[in-house]
Amino acid sequence: AQSVSQHNHHVILSEAASLELGCNYSYGGTVNLFWYVQYPGQHLQLLLKYFSGDPLVKGIKGFEAEFIKSKFSFNLRKPSVQWSDTAEYFCAVIMGRRALTFGSGTRLQVQP
Amino acid sequence: DVKVTQSSRYLVKRTGEKVFLECVQDMDHENMFWYRQDPGLGLRLIYFSYDVKMKEKGDIPEGYSVSREKKERFSLILESASTNQTSMYLCASSSGQRTFTDTQYFGPGTRLTVL
Repeated sequence: AQSVSQHNHHVILSEAASLELGCNYSYGGTVNLFWYVQYPGQHLQLLLKYFSGDPLVKGIKGFEAEFIKSKFSFNLRKPSVQWSDTAEYFCAVIMGRRALTFGSGTRLQVQP
Repeated sequence: DVKVTQSSRYLVKRTGEKVFLECVQDMDHENMFWYRQDPGLGLRLIYFSYDVKMKEKGDIPEGYSVSREKKERFSLILESASTNQTSMYLCASSSGQRTFTDTQYFGPGTRLTVL
């Protein structure tokens, strides 16, 4: 079955630490990849997306993600997190012609 | 700026009641979606619509129905609410008829509690 996995459910970091959140999907065909973020009390909003081209994509607020097709992965990275990055992060994938499938989310807590 | 609004932020209903959740978008988007968000499960797609009066089942349609009489409005209906439908409900919209590759824009969500 087509699915999206986020293996880190809860991550706690200190400010200035580097971040990498994992995302894997199970589908052998064409995919479109997204990372969404939900700050406390706010709407879900798009961080970045990958459709084609350069597999390293840059998003808002210094986030980036790398699509590795051979590993079916789309990991999110940020070199130095801030307290304001505290949020829940969702990986989402369009697999084939299906609508978006979300991962279970990763709650990031950044300690000052 | 895309705006997706939902009729209520918080709603409390009793088991067996019929519940309507309304969603309106102002960007003339073809596609609209209803998700439920539960801790540890992420967002799961209930129903979506790619055109007026058109609808398709998502991953968890049981116990729900939808209505799209106008392009900007997409309603989620719980025919007979049950306690296991207590959840956060999110509406989203995107452009591109019958394609779903464009960015989805989300509303603020409705937290529904069924007693």
